[in-house]
Amino acid sequence: AQTVTQSQPEMSVQEAETVTLSCTYDTSENNYYLFWYKQPPSRQMILVIRQEAYKQQNATENRFSVNFQKAAKSFSLKISDSQLGDTAMYFCASSFVIQGAQKLVFGQGTRLTINP
Amino acid sequence: DGGITQSPKYLFRKEGQNVTLSCEQNLNHDAMYWYRQDPGQGLRLIYYSQIVNDFQKGDIAEGYSVSREKKESFPLTVTSAQKNPTAFYLCASSIGTGHHSGNTIYFGEGSWLTVV
Repeated sequence: AQTVTQSQPEMSVQEAETVTLSCTYDTSENNYYLFWYKQPPSRQMILVIRQEAYKQQNATENRFSVNFQKAAKSFSLKISDSQLGDTAMYFCASSFVIQGAQKLVFGQGTRLTINP
Repeated sequence: DGGITQSPKYLFRKEGQNVTLSCEQNLNHDAMYWYRQDPGQGLRLIYYSQIVNDFQKGDIAEGYSVSREKKESFPLTVTSAQKNPTAFYLCASSIGTGHHSGNTIYFGEGSWLTVV
């Protein structure tokens, strides 16, 4: 079974600080991707960043970067220079193909609050 | 604008009633999904469809039904057999029909269903 675990239910930092959200996963697949999604108060899920398991280089999208440790099955998200608009629920997810279909498995989420 | 439209945004259901949540996409995506989100939890897959006139059960399909008569539409019916239907429902789509785990899955804005 594929599982994703986010061990931090809530986090809070001051604006402009750097924050790291943790995620661990378990999979028996060889070909998979990992994603971080953001869910602001509007509740719409927005893709933040994604990482292909085959690539050793960590993905980066502007202020967002990941630390992908494949052997440890760890996929943390770092937000640099945090902004008030970063306040949201953040979900880690693993993606794999089963019976010819792509499936996403989500973690429980981390509620991140950026304080002014 | 291209995107995924869910309606209604808010829906109230009486005990014993079936209700249908609409999901329409104009992204020309082949794959569509329905997820359920309970408070403080991640998303769980209800049903998914890779192609018109075909769909598969996800992890929590009991008490739900779907149809895929058109590529752009994937309505979800919450039946009276679903004993605890109060939740936030998210529809999603992706371009691929599987065999690739890296397709980005895009989400609609969601629908709130409450049993009264």
